[in-house]
Amino acid sequence: EAGVAQSPRYKIIEKRQSVAFWCNPISGHATLYWYQQILGQGPKLLIQFQNNGVVDDSQLPKDRFSAERLKGVDSTLKIQPAKLEDSAVYLCASSLSGVNTEAFFGQGTRLTVV
Amino acid sequence: QQQVKQSPQSLIVQKGGIPIINCAYENTAFDYFPWYQQFPGKGPALLIAIRPDVSEKKEGRFTISFNKSAKQFSLHIMDSQPGDSATYFCAARGGQNFVFGPGTRLSVLP
Repeated sequence: EAGVAQSPRYKIIEKRQSVAFWCNPISGHATLYWYQQILGQGPKLLIQFQNNGVVDDSQLPKDRFSAERLKGVDSTLKIQPAKLEDSAVYLCASSLSGVNTEAFFGQGTRLTVV
Repeated sequence: QQQVKQSPQSLIVQKGGIPIINCAYENTAFDYFPWYQQFPGKGPALLIAIRPDVSEKKEGRFTISFNKSAKQFSLHIMDSQPGDSATYFCAARGGQNFVFGPGTRLSVLP
């Protein structure tokens, strides 16, 4: 079974530039998550999709971050404009719907904003 | 109330030792408690998980102990090996998403 695919693996941009990350979840997983992991901290949920609908985006900085999941499969997360404090690893995860279902993570995209 | 507290922040043990990582939560609506293992440059990988109606769960060398009344749970790694050196995160599922602890960096010395 293929895992969660993310690209790119690394990205370096200057502040105020824009950047986009892509995620392809495990086939059949209706739930997709984007997490931000700052160095030395646990992952923090940015947004959660159920199929192509948003379930929770309460911690997404909507003035600069946006995400979409067209057709309920792949997802993109965009930052525009980026700030220095956005430097982090952006993790995508997916899970089946229902209780007691674990989330499977991709390898993440390491973003450095200079 | 959505927080999960985790300690210690870092832990060093000798090979064969039994590191113990502790987590605590406040939200009684949490209904599923997974532990994740993360190696440098990799995403977190599920290690073991427990439901609150179970007090203990073992999978290989990994054991979760769960104390529902105290709202605490812990991970024990039996016969630890240098290959277990990684960062460990406890998590709790509330509603439809997961809340993660801040992580414990474990080093197992040969």
